[in-house]
Amino acid sequence: DAEITQSPRHKITETGRQVTLACHQTWNHNNMFWYRQDLGHGLRLIHYSYGVHDTNKGEVSDGYSVSRSNTEDLPLTLESAASSQTSVYFCASSGPSRWHEQYFGPGTRLTVT
Amino acid sequence: AQSVAQPEDQVNVAEGNPLTVKCTYSVSGNPYLFWYVQYPNRGLQFLLKYITGDNLVKGSYGFEAEFNKSQTSFHLKKPSALVSDSALYFCAVRDGMDTGRRALTFGSGTRLQVQP
Repeated sequence: DAEITQSPRHKITETGRQVTLACHQTWNHNNMFWYRQDLGHGLRLIHYSYGVHDTNKGEVSDGYSVSRSNTEDLPLTLESAASSQTSVYFCASSGPSRWHEQYFGPGTRLTVT
Repeated sequence: AQSVAQPEDQVNVAEGNPLTVKCTYSVSGNPYLFWYVQYPNRGLQFLLKYITGDNLVKGSYGFEAEFNKSQTSFHLKKPSALVSDSALYFCAVRDGMDTGRRALTFGSGTRLQVQP
C-alpha cells in the first residue's frame, strides 16, 4: 500500500544546530506540504512543492527551507534551530486537483533546548 | 484569502447521543471543504469532503457533514457517538477559485470527548 513516512519520529536538538526532517511518500504525488502543529493554532503551512525542483513559502516559513530533487521526498531543514521551533511537524501529499484530499504522515515531534 | 473557524475548543457528549462539531469558513470563490480526525500521537486522517453537489456529505466511521452556503458552515455530525470517536477534529478549506494555492487552511481544532 502507498504511504507517507516521516523520520525521525522524535528529535531533541540544541539551539543553533541545523536539523533536517525527512518526508517520503510512495503515492507518486506531485504536491507535498509541510505543516507545524501548535496548541491553539491548528496546522500552519511552512513550505510546499508542486513538483520536482519547485518550492514555495507558506505562512510560517522563516527559519525553514525545503528542496525537492525527486517526486518522493521533501526534506525540511531548520537552518539554525530556535526554541520557538519546538513543535510537531507534519508532512502531507496530495493528488493534482484542488479537490483532492491530503494524506498525512505520522509526524515528527521536535524539541529545541 | 481563505480562513476557517472552529468556535469550540472542546465538545462533550454522552455515548449514544448525537454529536455536532462546528466549522465556518471564508473564501472568495466556491469552497472545497474537508474534515480530518487526529488520534493521540498520530497524523491526521481524512474523514470526508465537500466539493459540489449534495449538501449532505457522508464519510468514514459513520460521520457526515452538512454544507450550508448561506451560513458559510460545514458542521460535522454523527447520529450516535461512540467513546472511540474521542479525538481532535480539524476542519479545512481550499478556495476553488484560487488556482495558485493547493494547500489547505486549517481551523484550530475541536477536541471531542465522548463519555461512557
